[in-house]
Amino acid sequence: LAKTTQPISMDSYEGQEVNITCSHNNIATNDYITWYQQFPSQGPRFIIQGYKTKVTNEVASLFIPADRKSSTLSLPRVSLSDTAVYYCLVGDVKGRDDKIIFGKGTRLHILP
Amino acid sequence: SQTIHQWPATLVQPVGSPLSLECTVEGTSNPNLYWYRQAAGRGLQLLFYSVGIGQISSEVPQNLSASRPQDRQFILSSKKLLLSDSGFYLCAWGSWKQQYFGPGTRLTVT
Repeated sequence: LAKTTQPISMDSYEGQEVNITCSHNNIATNDYITWYQQFPSQGPRFIIQGYKTKVTNEVASLFIPADRKSSTLSLPRVSLSDTAVYYCLVGDVKGRDDKIIFGKGTRLHILP
Repeated sequence: SQTIHQWPATLVQPVGSPLSLECTVEGTSNPNLYWYRQAAGRGLQLLFYSVGIGQISSEVPQNLSASRPQDRQFILSSKKLLLSDSGFYLCAWGSWKQQYFGPGTRLTVT
């Protein structure tokens, strides 16, 4: 699985848009990019997944440039409840590698 | 719909005592199953994963073991706990594309 690099922590304020960038320079052709969210004392929860360009759902948007060596998770108008750890993962879309590697993630702290 | 259960929710055990954590999944057949551990303030560490009954892959050498006696049951065990075994233990099912996590077990070894 490709290695990922994310900021250790970020602070933002309620109502702001938050962008968390993940670097994955060694991403392979079949790899997808996936983001999870984890609240304290809970398991991670799937947020969004994409392969290229832009993906949007009711929670977030994922921007992936043409070279796919990085990706940006965008959370619109955050609230205090968005305080959590966000993990970026990359891996084979065909599931040929059943292992998933979670890094340390980005600890996002939303301030009032 | 699929549901994943873990028990117990919290556990306090003395050093040297045995451990058994159980995970069961409902609503799916032959799932891939995973055990993770998260130490305080750290990321998730993959401990074991299983693609079928009796098939266990270990990711980290340690005093823990895992077993899958039934299709939707995954058990994490230890014969003698260490202080370093304290942490938040999470079971998950799914695949690389998407994993679904259970509520977790908070283990404190004293």
